Amino acid sequence: GENVEQHPSTLSVQEGDSAVIKCTYSDSASNYFPWYKQELGKRPQLIIDIRSNVGEKKDQRIAVTLNKTAKHFSLHITETQPEDSAVYFCAAGSSASKIIFGSGTRLSIRP
Amino acid sequence: EAQVTQNPRYLITVTGKKLTVTCSQNMNHEYMSWYRQDPGLGLRQIYYSMNVEVTDKGDVPEGYKVSRKEKRNFPLILESPSPNQTSLYFCASSLRDRGQSPLHFGNGTRLTVT
Repeated sequence: GENVEQHPSTLSVQEGDSAVIKCTYSDSASNYFPWYKQELGKRPQLIIDIRSNVGEKKDQRIAVTLNKTAKHFSLHITETQPEDSAVYFCAAGSSASKIIFGSGTRLSIRP
Repeated sequence: EAQVTQNPRYLITVTGKKLTVTCSQNMNHEYMSWYRQDPGLGLRQIYYSMNVEVTDKGDVPEGYKVSRKEKRNFPLILESPSPNQTSLYFCASSLRDRGQSPLHFGNGTRLTVT
């Protein structure tokens, strides 16, 4: 079946450095790619999303890139801060298919 | 305030004792869904509903039931819970199109079945 692979499963970076999380999807019909952040003990919340007609989208310190040919998309967080520590989920979906989630990346920011 | 409300937040029960987890949204969303979250497995979809009286199975529907009698409510029913249903459950809703709109999640229900 369709799936989304997410790497790495855990990531530790020094405060102020950048973090990159990568995802690969299998369904070529996917055209919507959201990213969710889940802080400890809380619900997942959308932080950024991108649609297939756009190759890159940025919102302050967060950016997402999409390579439809390779079926890859990535989340980039620059100038990381302690409050960026959380689990991040990528996902892929289309009008014909449900959203499928990656398995998550636990990001830790070292002071 | 626009939100998805789940109850209860925590539930401990015994094997075989029927339970219901409620979910309600006040955003007039058409699409609602239930997920379970287990360590290392991410968010797996249990059931979803495209609109009133329209429900369908997700990836892990065994042992669960749902209903969508009203647009705002989408309860999750465990007729005979078993220990392998111990998990963190999230209800979510979106405006339309199951794979095209941002999902709004409830606060979660942590279920323990002994």
